[in-house]
Amino acid sequence: QSALTQPASVSGSPGQSITISCTGTSSDIEDYNYVSWYQQHPGKAPKLMIFEVSNRPSGVSHRFSGSKSANTASLTISGLQAEDEADYYCSSYTINTTPYVVFGGGTKLTVL
Amino acid sequence: QVQLVESGGGVVQPGRSLRLSCAASGFTFSTYGMHWVRQAPGKGLEWVAVISYDGSDKYYTDSVKGRFTISRDNSKNTLYLQTNSLRTEDTAVYYCARDQQWLVSGNDHWGQGTLVIVSS
Repeated sequence: QSALTQPASVSGSPGQSITISCTGTSSDIEDYNYVSWYQQHPGKAPKLMIFEVSNRPSGVSHRFSGSKSANTASLTISGLQAEDEADYYCSSYTINTTPYVVFGGGTKLTVL
Repeated sequence: QVQLVESGGGVVQPGRSLRLSCAASGFTFSTYGMHWVRQAPGKGLEWVAVISYDGSDKYYTDSVKGRFTISRDNSKNTLYLQTNSLRTEDTAVYYCARDQQWLVSGNDHWGQGTLVIVSS
């Protein structure tokens, strides 16, 4: 049950766009369109931002978008705002002998 | 509105047990799968376990298999995590989270978490 791979940190200035990558394997991201992304502010619970690769839950800003190519999923945040500064985690459905969920190690987004 | 409230955390010695609870309200609890996800201090999220809406299916991460048991009481709108043979590496904030669509669509609501510290 290996974790997905994310960059430890990314940064951008207000108004810019950034992309966070999430690399998995043929057993998870490549095989299934079941990638989710979460935002977590310090001391708070995670918040679902994207599900099934590119779907936004109700209430999530259109500035957040998701995509996937082969074994790598990506979260793009456009028009960066100060409140976007947070940790971001990807996750994917996967299956070995039984189904389970695997998370990425997390990416700290700093808005400069 | 959907609310998930965890309880039962605390300080416990290695090898001992704790039962965590998650009280749900604001939605039809008996129609949703539920997860436990943990986060060690200063670390990332780690998926722990999931249970189907009726309790018939349960899956665990390898590191807790045989030690942790997820269960639910739909008559009480409550999710549980029985944690046995606790290890120092189980120290974490434990979150319960609602499953949007059985394992594939992420967790759309989370509790505030309950802290478990395993220490002698």
